[in-house]
Amino acid sequence: EDQVTQSPEALRLQEGESSSLNCSYTVSGLRGLFWYRQDPGKGPEFLFTLYSAGEEKEKERLKATLTKKESFLHITAPKPEDSATYLCVIFYGGATNKLIFGTGTLLAVQP
Amino acid sequence: EAEVAQSPRYKITEKSQAVAFWCDPISGHATLYWYRQILGQGPELLVQFQDESVVDDSQLPKDRFSAERLKGVDSTLKIQPAELGDSAMYLCASSKDRGQETQYFGPGTRLLVL
Repeated sequence: EDQVTQSPEALRLQEGESSSLNCSYTVSGLRGLFWYRQDPGKGPEFLFTLYSAGEEKEKERLKATLTKKESFLHITAPKPEDSATYLCVIFYGGATNKLIFGTGTLLAVQP
Repeated sequence: EAEVAQSPRYKITEKSQAVAFWCDPISGHATLYWYRQILGQGPELLVQFQDESVVDDSQLPKDRFSAERLKGVDSTLKIQPAELGDSAMYLCASSKDRGQETQYFGPGTRLLVL
């Protein structure tokens, strides 16, 4: 069964304490993996797209990596404003493009 | 920077009433999506348009939900009659086309059905 699993469900960090969020997937024909940030009561904000294993993308304190089975979102020296839910989305399929959203990781960064 | 617009931002209604949400995608984006997001969960696709045509509405509860994108630009999602279980965030997103699936989301409409 095609599936996307994000872990942990929730993560509490101290300001400056680096960590990683995980997105693992079991789909056929991966075409892309997206990371979004979502603040409470708002729509998801696009962060990164990764297309192939070994690819990496960076933006400020965030770095996304992709392997054949999972993706990591590394957060280096986080700040309280990085607190949000981080969503992983898989884009896959051949003739029929499909998307699967993960349930997200709720990140809280304490000052 | 171009953004997806949605209105209203908040809607409170009583069950059995009709509600409608509006979305204006990023200019030039051919594909438009409507999602429902329940608190603590990821978005669930309700309907996908390519220009003015529906390409996927398999998860749309068609007995009460309808969606249209008559001129292939902005779109309306309607619920009639609303039920208590419809309380959720309704998100609209757009992408350049189906083959380029980076989606850009609007701010959402939070619906509360009493």
